[in-house]
Amino acid sequence: AQSVTQPDIHITVSEGASLELRCNYSYGATPYLFWYVQSPGQGLQLLLKYFSGDTLVQGIKGFEAEFKRSQSSFNLRKPSVHWSDAAEYFCAVRHTGTASKLTFGTGTRLQVTL
Amino acid sequence: EAGVAQSPRYKIIEKRQSVAFWCNPISGHATLYWYQQILGQGPKLLIQFQNNGVVDDSQLPKDRFSAERLKGVDSTLKIQPAKLEDSAVYLCASSMPPGELFFGEGSRLTVL
Repeated sequence: AQSVTQPDIHITVSEGASLELRCNYSYGATPYLFWYVQSPGQGLQLLLKYFSGDTLVQGIKGFEAEFKRSQSSFNLRKPSVHWSDAAEYFCAVRHTGTASKLTFGTGTRLQVTL
Repeated sequence: EAGVAQSPRYKIIEKRQSVAFWCNPISGHATLYWYQQILGQGPKLLIQFQNNGVVDDSQLPKDRFSAERLKGVDSTLKIQPAKLEDSAVYLCASSMPPGELFFGEGSRLTVL
């Protein structure tokens, strides 16, 4: 069965520091992978997605992620974090075919210190 | 372009009462999803519609939860009777495959 693991429940970084959030997936075929961000009391906003092609994908708000098939990973990175990036981040894998649902990881809560 | 609309945003009920949530997807999106997000967890799919037909409801607790999507547009999710463990945010999303899912702001349910 498809699954997503986000090993870090909570991460704290200083404003201006770099960030990497980890995501590992389990999926039998080539995965479609996503990163979403959720601010308190809000819905989920798509940061970026990987379907195929270039394994380094760029997203909104200065985020990027790299797909590594050999490691079954899709880690999210940002070179310099802003205080407004504090939120919950979810990695997700989409099933192919008619059941195009997303399976989410448990999320990583990012705290940014000034 | 208008996003996914959900109501109510907040609801507090006593256990064993009933509650209903409404979702209006983005115009033209054929696929609609209801997710349950319990505090501290990732969203979990409850039910997926393609137009007005159910594609996946394998994780819907059918003894108490029901959902419908009449005319392939709006959808309603109902819980009857509610249990304490149903306290969660109920997220509606829509998509036009194979594109991304767009989420509403969610309906937060507290069961006392």
